[in-house]
Amino acid sequence: RKEVEQDPGPFNVPEGATVAFNCTYSNSASQSFFWYRQDCRKEPKLLMSVYSSGNEDGRFTAQLNRASQYISLLIRDSKLSDSATYLCVVRYNTNAGKSTFGDGTTLTVKP
Amino acid sequence: DTEVTQTPKHLVMGMTNKKSLKCEQHMGHRAMYWYKQKAKKPPELMFVYSYEKLSINESVPSRFSPECPNSSLLNLHLHALQPEDSALYLCASSQGSAGMVSGANVLTFGAGSRLTVL
Repeated sequence: RKEVEQDPGPFNVPEGATVAFNCTYSNSASQSFFWYRQDCRKEPKLLMSVYSSGNEDGRFTAQLNRASQYISLLIRDSKLSDSATYLCVVRYNTNAGKSTFGDGTTLTVKP
Repeated sequence: DTEVTQTPKHLVMGMTNKKSLKCEQHMGHRAMYWYKQKAKKPPELMFVYSYEKLSINESVPSRFSPECPNSSLLNLHLHALQPEDSALYLCASSQGSAGMVSGANVLTFGAGSRLTVL
């Protein structure tokens, strides 16, 4: 079983749709959680950190459920510019400096 | 503009060549990383330097040799590579490593060096 598993996608949605991505992790010692966005042939960039209380940044909402070892990302009112690959990242403080990436979920928003 | 600068952006080398990839950051970050990324795959960790010391080597073949001359610089020396080593090589940095709060663990990536081995 992979340490971090994401919905494989791809997700193809119309503009204005709401889309949700899920991610599960296997190591209960995980301490830090993130969603990164990667555009084609570009580097990953931090979209948002994920906190236990859940957090929101504009149209984006991230949730963490430690009991179920599950992270989610909700995108409301999708824009064409949201088209990208979304990477779930989990970091274990028991292993200095190692962040584990999910395989990524590709989103295409169509007009 | 990215705050982690990588050079060169593109590199083509033969299997007998020796080349180096360079990475620089001036954010005062104390952890630096090399990742390898193949097409349609996530970044794969290669090495981690924490306070200029190598803390993680993910069983990377010796034809890849990392070097951290100081807290701002990270190099990856390449020698006798194979065609399957062709990939995007990403450098990243973070404020710290294990045991620190979430914000300190955020990775900032450079734009990458796209390597082709002939």
